[in-house]
Amino acid sequence: DTEVTQTPKHLVMGMTNKKSLKCEQHMGHRAMYWYKQKAKKPPELMFVYSYEKLSINESVPSRFSPECPNSSLLNLHLHALQPEDSALYLCASSLRTGTDTQYFGPGTRLTVL
Amino acid sequence: GENVEQHPSTLSVQEGDSAVIKCTYSDSASNYFPWYKQELGKGPQLIIDIRSNVGEKKDQRIAVTLNKTAKHFSLHITETQPEDSAVYFCAASIDSSASKIIFGSGTRLSIRP
Repeated sequence: DTEVTQTPKHLVMGMTNKKSLKCEQHMGHRAMYWYKQKAKKPPELMFVYSYEKLSINESVPSRFSPECPNSSLLNLHLHALQPEDSALYLCASSLRTGTDTQYFGPGTRLTVL
Repeated sequence: GENVEQHPSTLSVQEGDSAVIKCTYSDSASNYFPWYKQELGKGPQLIIDIRSNVGEKKDQRIAVTLNKTAKHFSLHITETQPEDSAVYFCAASIDSSASKIIFGSGTRLSIRP
């Protein structure tokens, strides 16, 4: 099973809302990632968790707050977002960080009004 | 840091013909080169990868070649089919615990019936 699941598939939120994106994998992977993808662009790395610890934060604004409650789950908490934050948010996982294959979920399509 | 350039940005080929997508990278320390296919409304899916100790790898209709001296690698798809229509991303990575995948800008491949 090489599946990464993400919920919700679509999310519409206002600039004052608080919402969370969820990601789950049961492949025993110890590295998990959040990416942001704008239309017609490649994924941009936001955060990397390794063994449930944040190892890379690509200078992401504090209105995005990641959380890794356990080795199978990854959350992205959203608060006071801007319309320019509208994008596809992708979760990925790999056995470890480095050059182990990253498996991507289907993404959450976020629209900020 | 690493920079990956990808060409062409769009490619249209007749069904049954071959398609070639080319990428160059800047960091000679990069040693892992995955290729991802992204269909509309889905997350990127790994289709093939190659490591720097190998010059060519083939999986059915898909092959990847790597020239470390010239710092370029290519994806070859033979006998193209309608389901090959998608956006393809090349990427490069260095094998270290702090490594990130650096994506190319993507190629939109269309297969003409």
